[in-house]
Amino acid sequence: DGGITQSPKYLFRKEGQNVTLSCEQNLNHDAMYWYRQDPGQGLRLIYYSQIVNDFQKGDIAEGYSVSREKKESFPLTVTSAQKNPTAFYLCASSITGGLAGAVEQFFGPGTRLTVL
Amino acid sequence: AQTVTQSQPEMSVQEAETVTLSCTYDTSESDYYLFWYKQPPSRQMILVIRQEAYKQQNATENRFSVNFQKAAKSFSLKISDSQLGDAAMYFCASLLIQGAQKLVFGQGTRLTINP
Repeated sequence: DGGITQSPKYLFRKEGQNVTLSCEQNLNHDAMYWYRQDPGQGLRLIYYSQIVNDFQKGDIAEGYSVSREKKESFPLTVTSAQKNPTAFYLCASSITGGLAGAVEQFFGPGTRLTVL
Repeated sequence: AQTVTQSQPEMSVQEAETVTLSCTYDTSESDYYLFWYKQPPSRQMILVIRQEAYKQQNATENRFSVNFQKAAKSFSLKISDSQLGDAAMYFCASLLIQGAQKLVFGQGTRLTINP
């Protein structure tokens, strides 16, 4: 089955530790995205990548880092510099190119990160 | 800059009735898409419906339809014959065709279905 997987589903971190969230897709999509969701708010974009070995900061990139070494994978590292990392993190992917019908983003099931 | 506003934090409807969720947006661009996503308790984001800004005809997907008023920058979602499975958070979102194709989300509306 094609889709997006995120692991782990729940993640606990001690203050001061870096942690990496996994996102894998087998949809052959070019673009991948990381969003953060806080209670009572919509999703906010952290980082995105439209092609392998390239990525761009989103609206709330401070305290996060990413890599895009493979088309299928877009891991997100939450660093100790992120002051309030407890949140729900969603990964998404899409075909790029601006083609009609190719703008839909497909989402993974998410990872709930809690800082202890 | 794009902004999306959902002014109804919570809505409720009786099962089998019709409910309308409101959304307004702001953009200076002419080419964009608008979406409604559903997030049930599982927290999986599911695309409900989308609208291309250049199309005048309102999009429809079975029991879900939109009222797209481009001049007013309004994009409401109508759910007909509400079902218990429709209970979820609903997010309105916009996406510019040019550039990074980033989704910008509203704050969400929690929809409750009363049996």
